[in-house]
Amino acid sequence: EVQLVESGGGLIQPGGSLRLSCAASGFSVSSKYMSWVRQAPGKGLEWVSVIHTGGTTYYADSVTGRCTISRDTSTNTLWLQVNSLRAEDTAVYYCAGAPRYYYYAMDVWGQGTTVTVSS
Amino acid sequence: EIVLTQSLGTLSLSPGERATLSCRASQSVSSNYLAWYQQKPGQAPRLLIYGASSRATGIPDRFSGSGSGKDFTLTITRLDPEDFAVYYCQLYGGSSYTFGQGTKLEIK
Repeated sequence: EVQLVESGGGLIQPGGSLRLSCAASGFSVSSKYMSWVRQAPGKGLEWVSVIHTGGTTYYADSVTGRCTISRDTSTNTLWLQVNSLRAEDTAVYYCAGAPRYYYYAMDVWGQGTTVTVSS
Repeated sequence: EIVLTQSLGTLSLSPGERATLSCRASQSVSSNYLAWYQQKPGQAPRLLIYGASSRATGIPDRFSGSGSGKDFTLTITRLDPEDFAVYYCQLYGGSSYTFGQGTKLEIK
């Protein structure tokens, strides 16, 4: 079964850091474009970052310089390191995979992990 | 940066009716990279349509997508009670993704 399971969220003070993980099963994280997408409470979806199958990474302007996306093919895990957290980073963070055969639309999503930035 | 605008914030319809949701891009885009998602409360989004008009695996044929250039449409024929949710369009731009702000489809 194709599945993504996120973890690592929690309550973090402003200025702090966290590392989110996304464990994949049923496929390899290097076989799809893997993204992090977040959703602030009551708001819409916001793309955060992507790592391409070749390893190239891209970030949304809102997180550039504060986030690092990476993957570990040995453990089949996607990671998102977020530094200098701000209140506006409070959101549910989803990982999602996008295969080439779907023109890079996201066909598999995790259940999300909640990040709350507050003092 | 391309902006996707879903002009309807909320659409109120009854089960059995037809829903037409729109998504307009701020400039002409490749329809290959236009997708639609459904999201229910407390759940992750689900891919419905990719390439503007192709249904993802397991998606009922009452869902269809169309459009090209700047204007795209998601149509749901014969609304089922389980179809009431929020719908997002999305564009893949090579180095980023953009989502529309979403249209909430609610029961009238």
